[in-house]
Amino acid sequence: AQSVTQPDIHITVSEGASLELRCNYSYGATPYLFWYVQSPGQGLQLLLKYFSGDTLVQGIKGFEAEFKRSQSSFNLRKPSVHWSDAAEYFCAVGPFNNAGNMLTFGGGTRLMVKP
Amino acid sequence: KAGVTQTPRYLIKTRGQQVTLSCSPISGHRSVSWYQQTPGQGLQFLFEYFSETQRNKGNFPGRFSGRQFSNSRSEMNVSTLELGDSALYLCASSPGLDKLKETQYFGPGTRLLVL
Repeated sequence: AQSVTQPDIHITVSEGASLELRCNYSYGATPYLFWYVQSPGQGLQLLLKYFSGDTLVQGIKGFEAEFKRSQSSFNLRKPSVHWSDAAEYFCAVGPFNNAGNMLTFGGGTRLMVKP
Repeated sequence: KAGVTQTPRYLIKTRGQQVTLSCSPISGHRSVSWYQQTPGQGLQFLFEYFSETQRNKGNFPGRFSGRQFSNSRSEMNVSTLELGDSALYLCASSPGLDKLKETQYFGPGTRLLVL
């Protein structure tokens, strides 16, 4: 069965500093990969997704992620964090055969931003 | 364009009761997926409906059921509520034809508390 691991439950960074959130997946083939963000009291918002092709994916709000097949990773990065980026971030995978809209989520990483 | 709407936003029930939650997708979207979010288990896929048919199902007991109407609105029902059913229930909608390649839009969720 596919699974997603986000090793860091909490991360604190200073405003303006760079950010990298880790995501590792376990799957027999290259799955569809996603990063979502959830602000308090809100639903999930898609930041970016990867299906195939260029392994560096650009998303909204200045985020990017890099797919590394050899490491089964899909880490999220941002060069300069803003206070408004404080939220919970979820990595997710979907089946490689695109059988439907079912996602398997990681446990999430809560990001705090220090002024 | 209006976003995904979920009603009610908050709900309190007692053990043994049943509950029905509603999700109105974005206009034109035919796929509706449901997720359960709890502190212990995280985000878990419940089921997906597309054009009134269940397309995928997660690993939940039969107490959890759903349906979709001809206008794409969806309801999920939980019978014989247990304390562990306390959670944030999220629904997501998308056009549905290209499945994971499309962006799924999440609603704000219904927070269910079972006493």
